[in-house]
Amino acid sequence: AQSVTQLGSHVSVSEGALVLLRCNYSSSVPPYLFWYVQYPNQGLQLLLKYTSAATLVKGINGFEAEFKKSETSFHLTKPSAHMSDAAEYFCAVSVLSSGGYNKLIFGAGTRLAVHP
Amino acid sequence: EPEVTQTPSHQVTQMGQEVILRCVPISNHLYFYWYRQILGQKVEFLVSFYNNEISEKSEIFDDQFSVERPDGSNFTLKIRSTKLEDSAMYFCASSYTSGGGDIQYFGAGTRLSVL
Repeated sequence: AQSVTQLGSHVSVSEGALVLLRCNYSSSVPPYLFWYVQYPNQGLQLLLKYTSAATLVKGINGFEAEFKKSETSFHLTKPSAHMSDAAEYFCAVSVLSSGGYNKLIFGAGTRLAVHP
Repeated sequence: EPEVTQTPSHQVTQMGQEVILRCVPISNHLYFYWYRQILGQKVEFLVSFYNNEISEKSEIFDDQFSVERPDGSNFTLKIRSTKLEDSAMYFCASSYTSGGGDIQYFGAGTRLSVL
């Protein structure tokens, strides 16, 4: 069965520091992978997605993620953290049912704190 | 920018009561979903809905749950007789298509508290 694991439920960085949020996936087929962000009192917003077109995927707000098949990873990075990046980040893999319908399997989430 | 809207943002109910959580998906979307997140746990898939019928449901989605698209804009999740363990954040999502890489757009969620 397909799944994702996010290492670290809480990550704290200084403003201006590198952000690295880890996601490892398990999939028997080439996966479709997503990163979503949830700001306080808001819905899940798509940051970026991987659909096999390119291994380095650029998203919104300066985030990017690199798909590494050999490591079964899809880690999210941002070179320089901003206070506004404080949020919860979810990695997800798309799973197709036998009927061809899509659903998302989420990781447990990583709460990012950014301090001055 | 079009968005998925959920109401209410917070619902408090007594155990055994029926609740209806409401969602207005993005207007030209055809596929609709409910997910939930129990506090401290993962976001879990509950059900997907297409062409006025359930296309897939998880083992969580038992007989106490039902979904409906009563008109051209709303998509509802009903819990017939709520239990304490139904307390969670419920997210509605919609998508235009349902292929593997297709994006699901999420609402802000309804926090359900069962007392």
